[in-house]
Amino acid sequence: AQSVTQPDIHITVSEGASLELRCNYSYGATPYLFWYVQSPGQGLQLLLKYFSGDTLVQGIKGFEAEFKRSQSSFNLRKPSVHWSDAAEYFCAVGYSGGYNKLIFGAGTRLAVHP
Amino acid sequence: KAGVTQTPRYLIKTRGQQVTLSCSPISGHRSVSWYQQTPGQGLQFLFEYFSETQRNKGNFPGRFSGRQFSNSRSEMNVSTLELGDSALYLCASSSDRAEQYFGPGTRLTVT
Repeated sequence: AQSVTQPDIHITVSEGASLELRCNYSYGATPYLFWYVQSPGQGLQLLLKYFSGDTLVQGIKGFEAEFKRSQSSFNLRKPSVHWSDAAEYFCAVGYSGGYNKLIFGAGTRLAVHP
Repeated sequence: KAGVTQTPRYLIKTRGQQVTLSCSPISGHRSVSWYQQTPGQGLQFLFEYFSETQRNKGNFPGRFSGRQFSNSRSEMNVSTLELGDSALYLCASSSDRAEQYFGPGTRLTVT
């Protein structure tokens, strides 16, 4: 069965520091991969997606992610974090036979210190 | 383009009652998916509708049901509410097998 693991439940970084949020997935074929962000009491906003092609994908708000098939990973990065990036981040996987069913990780809550 | 809208945003119900939640997708999107978000179980897929047909279903009891109308608007219904049904219910729309765009959710509290 497909699954997504986000090993870090909470991460705290200082404003201006770099960020990397980890995501590992379990799926036999090439998955569709997504990162979403959720602010308190809000829905999910799509940051970026990977379907195929270039393994380094750029998203909104200065985020990027790299698909590494050999490590079954899709880590999210940002070179310099802003206080407004504090939120919860979810990695999700879809697959070609599952239509639009997404499997989500448990999420990583990001806190940003001034 | 207007985003995904969900109504109502907040709802309080009593155990044993039933509830209907509504979702209007982005114009032109024919796929609507529903998810339940709770602190304990996280985000879980309920079901997906495409052109009025249920294409995929998650592991939820039959008390959870849905439908989609010809204009792509979707409703989900939960019958015989239980305390454990308290959650944020999120709807997402997609053009098909593409990225999904989420609405703000409906916060359901069962007392």
